[in-house]
Amino acid sequence: DTAVSQTPKYLVTQMGNDKSIKCEQNLGHDTMYWYKQDSKKFLKIMFSYNNKELIINETVPNRFSPKSPDKAHLNLHINSLELGDSAVYFCASSIGRGRAFFGQGTRLTVV
Amino acid sequence: KNEVEQSPQNLTAQEGEFITINCSYSVGISALHWLQQHPGGGIVSLFMLSSGKKKHGRLIATINIQEKHSSLHITASHPRDSAVYICAGLIQGAQKLVFGQGTRLTINP
Repeated sequence: DTAVSQTPKYLVTQMGNDKSIKCEQNLGHDTMYWYKQDSKKFLKIMFSYNNKELIINETVPNRFSPKSPDKAHLNLHINSLELGDSAVYFCASSIGRGRAFFGQGTRLTVV
Repeated sequence: KNEVEQSPQNLTAQEGEFITINCSYSVGISALHWLQQHPGGGIVSLFMLSSGKKKHGRLIATINIQEKHSSLHITASHPRDSAVYICAGLIQGAQKLVFGQGTRLTINP
């Protein structure tokens, strides 16, 4: 069973659209994250949630809205997509500040 | 300048060679992660350490907190070790990772 799973794996969409990426973990972790990997393969944190509460929002535009319906899920909704949003988005989870487990990534392409 | 710097950025070696990838950081961290990203894109956590040394198979990770430096070693390297290796520091007092730019390792048969 996949520990941290993201859907979809690939997403191609037009500028201005609204899209969501889903993330689920079955590890019983209490902390979940969204990371963005840009075209230069550099990873940066976007959001961190602990027990469904937002604890880090790393100066991400308001068009990005994470939603955590429960501790096992952290979905990422993006409004009014822009070309610069094209990247690979990784979900991850951990127990508190412990070792992080990553999803397989979602490659978002905005055209 | 990045808070977490890795060297080298690219490394090509022959099968069987001993590999060292270095990571230096300029911020206070409580732990350091070593991650592996394969060409398919998935990220796997190799180690999380806050002191000393950890070993898993042919992989060894060390950290010197005072010197703000960590190394990842691969013994008897193999073509399947070819990947991007990323170090990431867990910022003290915050639940976030700050990443190095990655080291692209290629092991030729």
